[in-house]
Amino acid sequence: DAGVIQSPRHEVTEMGQEVTLRCKPISGHDYLFWYRQTMMRGLELLIYFNNNVPIDDSGMPEDRFSAKMPNASFSTLKIQPSEPRDSAVYFCASSYTGGSAEAFFGQGTRLTVV
Amino acid sequence: AQSVAQPEDQVNVAEGNPLTVKCTYSVSGNPYLFWYVQYPNRGLQFLLKYITGDNLVKGSYGFEAEFNKSQTSFHLKKPSALVSDSALYFCAVREGDTGGFKTIFGAGTRLFVKA
Repeated sequence: DAGVIQSPRHEVTEMGQEVTLRCKPISGHDYLFWYRQTMMRGLELLIYFNNNVPIDDSGMPEDRFSAKMPNASFSTLKIQPSEPRDSAVYFCASSYTGGSAEAFFGQGTRLTVV
Repeated sequence: AQSVAQPEDQVNVAEGNPLTVKCTYSVSGNPYLFWYVQYPNRGLQFLLKYITGDNLVKGSYGFEAEFNKSQTSFHLKKPSALVSDSALYFCAVREGDTGGFKTIFGAGTRLFVKA
């Protein structure tokens, strides 16, 4: 398996624009996570899905952020409108069932909002 | 609420010397504990985990960690450091009984191994 695949790797956008980040989890994994990493706040869990259903979105910072998982092999994280403070590295991770299971991370999307 | 503390922002060690990266945690139930490593411009990679059983856990690349329930610690160790071990290390905790999959990460500790 190619691992968790995220696209794009880098995104530069202007403030106010819509940004969509994409993720393909590892086949067979039924949990998917979106994290945000910044120097100030470290690694934050934004939302996670189980079997394509959002389970906990308490980490989503504002209504400008939304996430979907239309099927087992694809998820998106959308920011609309984007703001400079959204600049961060966004990671997608997936995991198989089981509370003890570790997560497998993608390489991340570095988002810069100017 | 779950929390993780990595008290050292940075650890410096000479190649060939033992290394320790510290982690303490707080959960209301039984903890599931993890260590991940992040290399520049890469995602986090799983190193090892403690779920139950033997307090000494062995993982990838010669790393090991010791679970200490009384001190609520899960320190990462390696007997002999390599320059290639230089990276950012994250400790993470999940509440094993009722916490679902919500995993809390520490702030990270940057390890520098000098040749």
